[in-house]
Amino acid sequence: EVQLLESGGGLVQPGGSLRLSCAASGFTFSNYAMSWVRQGPGKGLEWVSGLDGRGDDTYYADSVKGRFTISRDNSKNTLYLQMNGLRAEDTAVYYCVMWLLGCWGQGTLVTVSS
Amino acid sequence: DVVMTQSPLSLPVTLGQPASISCRSSQSLVYSDGNTYLNWFQQRPGQSPRRLIYKVSNRDSGVPDRFSGSGSGTDFTLKISRVEAEDVGVYYCMEGTHWTFGQGTKVEIK
Repeated sequence: EVQLLESGGGLVQPGGSLRLSCAASGFTFSNYAMSWVRQGPGKGLEWVSGLDGRGDDTYYADSVKGRFTISRDNSKNTLYLQMNGLRAEDTAVYYCVMWLLGCWGQGTLVTVSS
Repeated sequence: DVVMTQSPLSLPVTLGQPASISCRSSQSLVYSDGNTYLNWFQQRPGQSPRRLIYKVSNRDSGVPDRFSGSGSGTDFTLKISRVEAEDVGVYYCMEGTHWTFGQGTKVEIK
């Protein structure tokens, strides 16, 4: 069974940093592209970032480009999202997603507030 | 950039009756490989999204056959043949090459 388990969310001040992790199991992690998708409070879904199976090709939404960095450690079956320069508008639940099988994690909440 | 537009944004339905959600893209979603990467997701209250349909009309494993997807080019539709109470939630279309979501359609029981 495919499982994606996010962690690392929390409360951070504007301008601060957080690193999210997504532990994957139940499939050959290195074979699949992965993404992060977020959902602001009471809002719709917004794709944030993605990368291919090897981590060579990375993609970012314009709203986070230059501030967020996606990466993966295939030896640990883990996806990461390093978030720097956080803003109030980055407040959201962040989901780890494996598109090919349509699998989503349970999400981790990031709150940016002073 | 591709823009995905759903309608309606709110859909009150009667149990046992059909429901239909439209999704229009600002440009054709036929990709260079000939596939159309249009997906539908369901998000029940308090839950993570769940994919129902991929590549326009393919149901994911475990998805009831009352859900169906259709369409081509720029116009797509998700249909629920007979709405059940567990279908309450928000439904999103998403084009799968630039990962752009529609605004979401909230389905509720009348």
